[in-house]
Amino acid sequence: SQTIHQWPATLVQPVGSPLSLECTVEGTSNPNLYWYRQAAGRGLQLLFYSVGIGQISSEVPQNLSASRPQDRQFILSSKKLLLSDSGFYLCAWSLVGRGWTEAFFGQGTRLTVV
Amino acid sequence: AQSVTQLDSQVPVFEEAPVELRCNYSSSVSVYLFWYVQYPNQGLQLLLKYLSGSTLVKGINGFEAEFNKSQTSFHLRKPSVHISDTAEYFCAVSVEETSGSRLTFGEGTQLTVNP
Repeated sequence: SQTIHQWPATLVQPVGSPLSLECTVEGTSNPNLYWYRQAAGRGLQLLFYSVGIGQISSEVPQNLSASRPQDRQFILSSKKLLLSDSGFYLCAWSLVGRGWTEAFFGQGTRLTVV
Repeated sequence: AQSVTQLDSQVPVFEEAPVELRCNYSSSVSVYLFWYVQYPNQGLQLLLKYLSGSTLVKGINGFEAEFNKSQTSFHLRKPSVHISDTAEYFCAVSVEETSGSRLTFGEGTQLTVNP
């Protein structure tokens, strides 16, 4: 069966520090991969999605970047964190090549920038 | 592009009462609809999904939703809620694309079940 791992679960970082959140998927090949952010009291905002290695689409301009160095690995990064980067970050995957899909989510990372 | 509107940001109800969480969508093409639940500090779990066929969809934990194409709605219902149903609920829509789909989420509805 497929599983998705996301870490760390919580993170407190000072303003201006770098960020690296990692997500890996097991049990499937060539998935679509997503990074979502959930700010306090708000819905889910799609940040990045990837349909293959090295292929990243950005949904909103921001202080963050994403990379997909391996088929089932998706990394969210920042060179210098801002206070506004605080939030709950969720990684997700879905099947490729289907007319429809549903997304399967990791347990999330609570990022607090201080 | 598709969009989703969840009409209520917060819904407080008493235990064993019925509940309806409302969701409307907009899209120029056929859509697939989903409801997800999120418990505090956790990821999202799929409750149910509509892909085709019967417009009444049954999901886990006693929830069901009805797809209404003419009203572009996909409301979530449960006839009798429990304390444990307290969570945030997200409606989502995806459209058919050749390279897989992206899910667009609503803003979420916080369901609070009181004793």
